Amino acid sequence: GQQVMQIPQYQHVQEGEDFTTYCNSSTTLSNIQWYKQRPGGHPVFLIQLVKSGEVKKQKRLTFQFGEAKKNSSLHITATQTTDVGTYFCAGGRSNDYKLSFGAGTTVTVRA
Amino acid sequence: NAGVTQTPKFQVLKTGQSMTLQCAQDMNHNSMYWYRQDPGMGLRLIYYSASEGTTDKGEVPNGYNVSRLNKREFSLRLESAAPSQTSVYFCASSESGRTYEQYFGPGTRLTVT
Repeated sequence: GQQVMQIPQYQHVQEGEDFTTYCNSSTTLSNIQWYKQRPGGHPVFLIQLVKSGEVKKQKRLTFQFGEAKKNSSLHITATQTTDVGTYFCAGGRSNDYKLSFGAGTTVTVRA
Repeated sequence: NAGVTQTPKFQVLKTGQSMTLQCAQDMNHNSMYWYRQDPGMGLRLIYYSASEGTTDKGEVPNGYNVSRLNKREFSLRLESAAPSQTSVYFCASSESGRTYEQYFGPGTRLTVT
């Protein structure tokens, strides 16, 4: 089963509002990556976090890595129709070569 | 640069038929991956190749085989297709393992009837 859990599975947002999606792991992660997949498209890399408590911003998107390196969040402010899509987190572990992807949060926006 | 290319884009198979999905990357990446994406399941790793000449099983390898033909190409074979293999298949590549971003191909939409 998936070792990285994402909530919520679906997020319906009014245009202009903020929302947050969460990524949780039962074990410590060495790094976490976030990807965005537009409807009908393929996942595209957004960002990577590697340090405990790290916060990174990309315009209206704020990414955070938890102090214990077991969780992460993506916060989007003033949601726009261009934010529609599915956001995946992917966690890495120090004893594992590969990433483990979460099931994703699918975001729809009401104009 | 084309990045990661996949063929075919769409395929319909009958149960029991076989086929090979092709993937190629032009970024000189060492690592390549095959994922399947099903509704509500996210991206599940089928097989990966850490470097040319090596392949390893991922989370859901049953019913699939892979070949790392050279550094550029990584193919996925379904020997006897089953309806449970209906899915969208993505190939990805990265410079190396978990700390490097992955670049995804456009996907192959496979239906098995």
